[in-house]
Amino acid sequence: EIVLTQSPGTLSLSPGERATLSCRASQSVTNNYLAWYQQKPGQAPRLLIYYASTRATGIPDRFSGSGSGTDFTLTISRLEPEDSAVYHCQQYDNSPLYGFGPGTHLEIK
Amino acid sequence: QVQLQESGPGLVTPSETLSLTCTISGDSINSHSWWSWVRQPPGKGLQWIGEIYHGGTANYNPSLRSRVTMSVDTSKNLFSLQLRSVTTADTAVYYCARNNFFSLQYWGQGTLVTASS
Repeated sequence: EIVLTQSPGTLSLSPGERATLSCRASQSVTNNYLAWYQQKPGQAPRLLIYYASTRATGIPDRFSGSGSGTDFTLTISRLEPEDSAVYHCQQYDNSPLYGFGPGTHLEIK
Repeated sequence: QVQLQESGPGLVTPSETLSLTCTISGDSINSHSWWSWVRQPPGKGLQWIGEIYHGGTANYNPSLRSRVTMSVDTSKNLFSLQLRSVTTADTAVYYCARNNFFSLQYWGQGTLVTASS
C-alpha cells in the first residue's frame, strides 16, 4: 500500500503570493497517477489536477501540478482569498485502488 | 453536466447496516465509467470505500471489504452502498463520485451519516 504524506500541514500566505504544496509517496506512483483536490468547508472535494500535471476542466491556470515518481507538487500562483481550502493529494495504485494524503490546510491572510 | 446526489438515513444504530443511494443525472451509469464511494469522518481525511461498474463488478478497500457491498440499478440510473455492522467509527460524510483519469472527477454534495444509539 502506498502511503502519501503532505507538507506542510498548514500554510498561511497573503493574496498575490505563491503557494507550494508537497505530496510525497512511500513508493513510486504508477504512471504518475496522482491527483489533487481542493475542499472548502462544508463542500465536496473538487478535482484540480490529474495525471500529476493535467488541469481538470474549468480549473484556472494559476493552479499547476508537477513531479513524478515519489515527489509531487501543487503550485498556486497569485493567491486569491477564495483559494483558502484544504488540498488533498490522491494516488491510484493496486490496493486500495485510491489512497489519499492527510491534506494541507491553506489559509489566505 | 454530471450531477450526483446521495440519499439515505442520516442516523444508523450501531451493529445495523448503513444504506445509501447515489442518483446520477447528466450521465448514464452505463457509460464507460466506474463509480465510487468515499467517506470523510468529521475533521479528518478522505477514505475511498470502493467502486462499481455498471455490469456489477466491484472493487473494495481491503480495510472495509468484509462489511461492504455495492450494487447498481441501471433502470433507475443509480448505484448503492451497504455497510454492515456499523460502529461509531463509521460516522462520516459519505460522498459518491464518478471515476475518470484514475481520479474522482465529479462528486456529490455528500451526506452525513451518524452511527449512534
